[in-house]
Amino acid sequence: EPEVTQTPSHQVTQMGQEVILRCVPISNHLYFYWYRQILGQKVEFLVSFYNNEISEKSEIFDDQFSVERPDGSNFTLKIRSTKLEDSAMYFCATLGPRDRGLIEQYFGPGTRLTVT
Amino acid sequence: AQTVTQSQPEMSVQEAETVTLSCTYDTSESDYYLFWYKQPPSRQMILVIRQEAYKQQNATENRFSVNFQKAAKSFSLKISDSQLGDAAMYFCAYRSEETSGSRLTFGEGTQLTVNP
Repeated sequence: EPEVTQTPSHQVTQMGQEVILRCVPISNHLYFYWYRQILGQKVEFLVSFYNNEISEKSEIFDDQFSVERPDGSNFTLKIRSTKLEDSAMYFCATLGPRDRGLIEQYFGPGTRLTVT
Repeated sequence: AQTVTQSQPEMSVQEAETVTLSCTYDTSESDYYLFWYKQPPSRQMILVIRQEAYKQQNATENRFSVNFQKAAKSFSLKISDSQLGDAAMYFCAYRSEETSGSRLTFGEGTQLTVNP
């Protein structure tokens, strides 16, 4: 069964540095998402992406964050200047295809980001 | 905005017994989906079961079933014949059907312990 993949599995970075988290969506899926989960807390929506543009974003997704799909396959989340509070698990998810009713989001295994 | 509430931070069950996890939600929409996700220590998000709001019949997947009460906005998960591998964090989630590709909104989670 196709699956969403994410790299790296764990990223350690210093405060103020830029990080890029990568996701390879399932090939015929249409919607892409980033969620984050601070340790011990619930999963929170960050942003959704459809047809090469942001379709929805949460209040967490401020100017420090950006997303793009540079080469038609990878879907990336960039954090420009990391803060300690950005330490979390970041999940990529995808939705589709349309002929399956666009119901279930498929999650990747996550990238654990540690900001020191 | 939709909210999802899980009032049981922790639950425990004896192996082979049955346990029910509670979830309530608040929405003004009539068309939506509800999900239960399992998150083991690996932190992978695994879909357990889903329910379409327009369906009156409660969803069932092997040992997992739901009790969906639309008027009460309640969506509980019943795990029968509990196994050690069921031990995990369980998240209830809501997704609107009225907006295509909309986000998942998660509850706070219930940590399930299965005792041998």
